[in-house]
Amino acid sequence: SAVISQKPSRDICQRGTSLTIQCQVDSQVTMMFWYRQQPGQSLTLIATANQGSEATYESGFVIDKFPISRPNLTFSTLTVSNMSPEDSSIYLCSAFLAGVVNIQYFGAGTRLSVL
Amino acid sequence: KQEVTQIPAALSVPEGENLVLNCSFTDSAIYNLQWFRQDPGKGLTSLLLIQSSQREQTSGRLNASLDKSSGRSTLYIAASQPGDSATYLCAVETTDSWGKFQFGAGTQVVVTP
Repeated sequence: SAVISQKPSRDICQRGTSLTIQCQVDSQVTMMFWYRQQPGQSLTLIATANQGSEATYESGFVIDKFPISRPNLTFSTLTVSNMSPEDSSIYLCSAFLAGVVNIQYFGAGTRLSVL
Repeated sequence: KQEVTQIPAALSVPEGENLVLNCSFTDSAIYNLQWFRQDPGKGLTSLLLIQSSQREQTSGRLNASLDKSSGRSTLYIAASQPGDSATYLCAVETTDSWGKFQFGAGTQVVVTP
């Protein structure tokens, strides 16, 4: 199994600023992902965090708005840039352990409010 | 593109009743289907994972079935308790998107004492 620590757990930010969210996994994982959960909605995949290279973004998400780093197998950051109130969401980091059974684990999430 | 639907969107039952949560998906070419629980303000907790070759998985009071041919999964929670109140999410990993999960919108469950 894997334990995922995500911080901050919540933040209130001003429009136009940026916030970096950190995600630490307690074991080496195959893949790491970032999801967004807008109020009242389900999870939407933002991107796959690739170790040592640029993240792979899903349709509708771009690197300038959501730069992602993954310097090693257990750590990743997501930055929400030039924030607007529409960015108010829960952002979740997940880790994927490949093996006989592919199980995905999630962090507790970062609840972001943009004023 | 895989579409995942969960019905009902919300469910309220008295304590002791059995819960039946439904998940349907449009693309039957899946690796796995995973059920999660989400408590307010918290992350996701994995409940059960069913591989594409399996028809069901059980853990305690929870049982999940999978019918790939009809694109359906059902999560049964026996003898519900107030502590079962949460949102339950179904997520599907398809064969052309290895490692990526498509989520349903969830079923919000309230179990009243």
